Amino acid sequence: IAGITQAPTSQILAAGRRMTLRCTQDMRHNAMYWYRQDLGLGLRLIHYSNTAGTTGKGEVPDGYSVSRANTDDFPLTLASAVPSQTSVYFCASSWDRGGNSPLHFGNGTRLTVT
Amino acid sequence: DQQVKQNSPSLSVQEGRISILNCDYTNSMFDYFLWYKKYPAEGPTFLISISSIKDKNEDGRFTVFLNKSAKHLSLHIVPSQPGDSAVYFCAARGTGANSKLTFGKGITLSVRP
Repeated sequence: IAGITQAPTSQILAAGRRMTLRCTQDMRHNAMYWYRQDLGLGLRLIHYSNTAGTTGKGEVPDGYSVSRANTDDFPLTLASAVPSQTSVYFCASSWDRGGNSPLHFGNGTRLTVT
Repeated sequence: DQQVKQNSPSLSVQEGRISILNCDYTNSMFDYFLWYKKYPAEGPTFLISISSIKDKNEDGRFTVFLNKSAKHLSLHIVPSQPGDSAVYFCAARGTGANSKLTFGKGITLSVRP
């Protein structure tokens, strides 16, 4: 089934540790995104990529980095996790960033930083 | 500054009745609006959208209305079904390659059997 795969599904991480959340799509979408969902705050954009080889910062990029080496993969890295990064992380993709192009989301990674 | 506002955190309706979910926005540059539905432990899924050149878009039981002068949109679900119980996110975007999708905080809809 075509779509977005995120891994791991959930993770408990000690503060200060490094963690990479994986995201793979098989729809050949150009654009990819990382959002975090927090209670009372909705979905906030962390980083995005319009196309392979390019990335950009969203609303809440601090403490996170991304790379887009190819069309399918868009990993999110926390270099040194802090408790405020406890959240549910959603990866998404779309044909492009403008116009009538809805986002397709993965099922999320629930991350707890202790 | 929250540009997309869903001021009611929750809504409860009886099965078969109409559900009306409201959304307000502040950015006059937004011209494309979407609704997403989210079940627990799943990612949001696209439900319906509307461009600013329209004031209504309908898809089965779901209709979205847009009032640009009031910077207000609403999602109507008729008739509501228990399977519609979920969190609904309103989102808005301007045009252009660098526009980003801005989400509201979401509203939890409960449809009572």
